[in-house]
Amino acid sequence: DAKTTQPTSMDCAEGRAANLPCNHSTISGNEYVYWYRQIHSQGPQYIIHGLKNNETNEMASLIITEDRKSSTLILPHATLRDTAVYYCIARQSYNFNKFYFGSGTKLNVKP
Amino acid sequence: DAGITQSPRYKITETGRQVTLMCHQTWSHSYMFWYRQDLGHGLRLIYYSAAADITDKGEVPDGYVVSRSKTENFPLTLESATRSQTSVYFCASSVAVTGGYYEQYFGPGTRLTVT
Repeated sequence: DAKTTQPTSMDCAEGRAANLPCNHSTISGNEYVYWYRQIHSQGPQYIIHGLKNNETNEMASLIITEDRKSSTLILPHATLRDTAVYYCIARQSYNFNKFYFGSGTKLNVKP
Repeated sequence: DAGITQSPRYKITETGRQVTLMCHQTWSHSYMFWYRQDLGHGLRLIYYSAAADITDKGEVPDGYVVSRSKTENFPLTLESATRSQTSVYFCASSVAVTGGYYEQYFGPGTRLTVT
């Protein structure tokens, strides 16, 4: 599975869009990009995933570059409850042993 | 209640004791997982199960035993607890893999301290 690189922390003003980048320059063609988040002391929560195309759901949007070497998670209107650690993961579907969460990005949403 | 639950939420035990952490899910998901989370290591997979009576090792299985006699339950046993097993343990479940992707749903975690 491809290694991912994320900034350690980011700040965002409440009500503004939060754009969280992720670099996965060694991603292979059959690896999906997943985003999870972990609010303090809780279990990780699935947000969104994608392969090639941009994706949107009720929580967020995922923008994947055409060469698939990087992606951006967008929270369109961040709230204080979105303060969490966000993990970007690139993995193949059957690699359970290598579902590597890494260190993630700590998003601080400020009033 | 629907979802995935873990018990106990907090546990303190002594070195050498056997401890069992429970995980229960109500979705009938075929896959279940146990992770541990430690500072500096992120989440690491201990064991996973593809279905009842089918289990396999993850990244850090030593010192742990799992079983899965029923689809909805996936207990994790520390046969002889050590201080290095002090951690937060998360159970997760997911639907069978289709289309090459899947979502994992995590429980609230069990904070285990071994003294």
